[in-house]
Amino acid sequence: AQKVTQAQTEISVVEKEDVTLDCVYETRDTTYYLFWYKQPPSGELVFLIRRNSFDEQNEISGRYSWNFQKSTSSFNFTITASQVVDSAVYFCALSEGAQAGTALIFGKGTTLSVSS
Amino acid sequence: EPEVTQTPSHQVTQMGQEVILRCVPISNHLYFYWYRQILGQKVEFLVSFYNNEISEKSEIFDDQFSVERPDGSNFTLKIRSTKLEDSAMYFCASSRGRGDYGYTFGSGTRLTVV
Repeated sequence: AQKVTQAQTEISVVEKEDVTLDCVYETRDTTYYLFWYKQPPSGELVFLIRRNSFDEQNEISGRYSWNFQKSTSSFNFTITASQVVDSAVYFCALSEGAQAGTALIFGKGTTLSVSS
Repeated sequence: EPEVTQTPSHQVTQMGQEVILRCVPISNHLYFYWYRQILGQKVEFLVSFYNNEISEKSEIFDDQFSVERPDGSNFTLKIRSTKLEDSAMYFCASSRGRGDYGYTFGSGTRLTVV
């Protein structure tokens, strides 16, 4: 069975603070994909990153970085020097298997509030 | 940048009525999906569609729901006899296919059943 756990329901930080959003997943497949999506107050789902199970390299994109650790089944997301515009709900998601067309299983999301 | 387009952005319908939610996936994508998000909750998979047939569906996707690709560009979700609990944001998504897991989501249709 697939499962994605985002234990942090809500996080509040002040601008310029660093914040890490946790994601722990469960899967029996050796091939899978992990994703992060941002959902701002306007409601759309904005793709942030995709990582396959064979690539454990950490990735940095501007103020965003991701730490993928298969040993702990975690795919954590860090925002450095947070800004008010980062306020949103962030979803971690998992897709199992080597073929496209399989379902994305989402975590329950973490609501990030950044105040000025 | 190519987009997935969903119409309408908001639809209000009376309980028991049928609704059709429309989506135009990215033109060179081969896989199409519908997801649902009840207000304040997580995004849930409904169905995936490939080569003019359903490739996977969730327990939520019961006989009340159907999907169709009526022409070369549109992808629709039909909900027959809507219930109050069908009120949610419905997202359409598409992906290119094997070896590419870039799911692109539309901006959603907010369905309100009254």
